[in-house]
Amino acid sequence: LLMTQSPATLSVSPGERATLFCRASQTFSNNLAWYQQKPGQAPRLLIYGASTRATGIPARFSGSGSGTEFTLTISSLQSEDFAVYYCLQYNNWPFTFGGGTKVEIK
Amino acid sequence: EVQLVESGGGLVQPGGSLRLSCAASGFTFSSYGMNWVRQAPGKGPEWVSYISSTSYTIYYAGSVKGRFTISRDNAKNSLYLQMNSLGAEDTAVYYCARDTAAGSPPEYWGQGTLVTVSS
Repeated sequence: LLMTQSPATLSVSPGERATLFCRASQTFSNNLAWYQQKPGQAPRLLIYGASTRATGIPARFSGSGSGTEFTLTISSLQSEDFAVYYCLQYNNWPFTFGGGTKVEIK
Repeated sequence: EVQLVESGGGLVQPGGSLRLSCAASGFTFSSYGMNWVRQAPGKGPEWVSYISSTSYTIYYAGSVKGRFTISRDNAKNSLYLQMNSLGAEDTAVYYCARDTAAGSPPEYWGQGTLVTVSS
């Protein structure tokens, strides 16, 4: 399963909304996760099951989608949200990550 | 608190071997599946291998199948990755990561250990 993320880079002002996309090469059930990664750190699980927030994740992060099209929305960007975001399909082995979207300060 | 600490990384020549370890604490290690995920410099993560809690189920990425071997010792709360026939394409930070339930995405990650393959 090939996962394609867009855009590669997203320039957003603090307080604005950010919408990130992840497209799968074939349809699958909602075994889709989103991770946030900051420089020098391991990825952090944000969303699993396409729309369920992981423990301790703020409500401004939300996931949606099904089939081949998935979306991560950050409703109001905070300074700590500027990072790289990856989607991961865990429906089929091998698990596959998308190429990432870098959310940068506009 | 869940803690995962990788070790064993370093510089190795092409064609060489290396064994990575991951020491787990803060949870019942024998109850969870474990993963290795790697990340080449400046690239996104790449899932490498998975082992179930009992070692009954094992999966590998195509890029490492036949060269890498995942294993675990539940008595020692440890996960391992034996890497053979290493090439430059294997240069990466290697993370161990724990799942939450069978078939779930990796939730808890270590800080990684760097493997550099170079002559």
